[in-house]
Amino acid sequence: TQLLKQSPQFLSIQEGENLTVYCNSSSVFSSLQWYRQEPGEGPVLLVTVVTGGEVKKLKRLTFQFGDARKDSSLHITAAQPGDTGLYLCAGTGSGNMLTFGGGTRLMVKP
Amino acid sequence: GEEVAQTPKHLVRGEGQKAKLYCAPIKGHSYVFWYQQVLKNEFKFLISFQNENVFDETGMPKERFSAKCLPNSPCSLEIQATKLEDSAVYFCASSQFGQGIGELFFGEGSRLTVL
Repeated sequence: TQLLKQSPQFLSIQEGENLTVYCNSSSVFSSLQWYRQEPGEGPVLLVTVVTGGEVKKLKRLTFQFGDARKDSSLHITAAQPGDTGLYLCAGTGSGNMLTFGGGTRLMVKP
Repeated sequence: GEEVAQTPKHLVRGEGQKAKLYCAPIKGHSYVFWYQQVLKNEFKFLISFQNENVFDETGMPKERFSAKCLPNSPCSLEIQATKLEDSAVYFCASSQFGQGIGELFFGEGSRLTVL
């Protein structure tokens, strides 16, 4: 079983602050996805990273895939209340199995 | 359709009763996935289908859980003799490709409460 550990599990910050969410594993993944889930809805894909060392930016969100393809981070600059939600990383490993991390619940207070 | 449609949104069952959930994938998507979300965070993979064929069922508790995707019908997930620990939100997702290759499109989930 390939485990993906996300940290922190919970994060409560003020509007305007920066934050980083981490997704770590001892296993190598061929690709890694980040999803955001809002209350009462299903997760929505934010980004897919496939190359070790890859960095992708989506407005104020910056995603990085580790060089060894075992870890990833999501950095949010100047967080806004609209960023509130559950952030999930999901890695594709052997057999094209997709494994979800435990999630990071973010609350951004105005 | 353009969205993954799950029904019902909420289902309440007494312990030991049967529960059946439905999912209509996005038209043209060959893959359907079922996940169980407990404690509002953790996503547990249950089963996936490629068209009407089971693709991967490694996450299914075999004793009481079953699932089908028949042609021209919504996919279904059935739990016989529900237990308290089955209380969760069950998400269905569909994709043009297999897991991890493309984007998974999720429905809004079906919340099952077992009393």
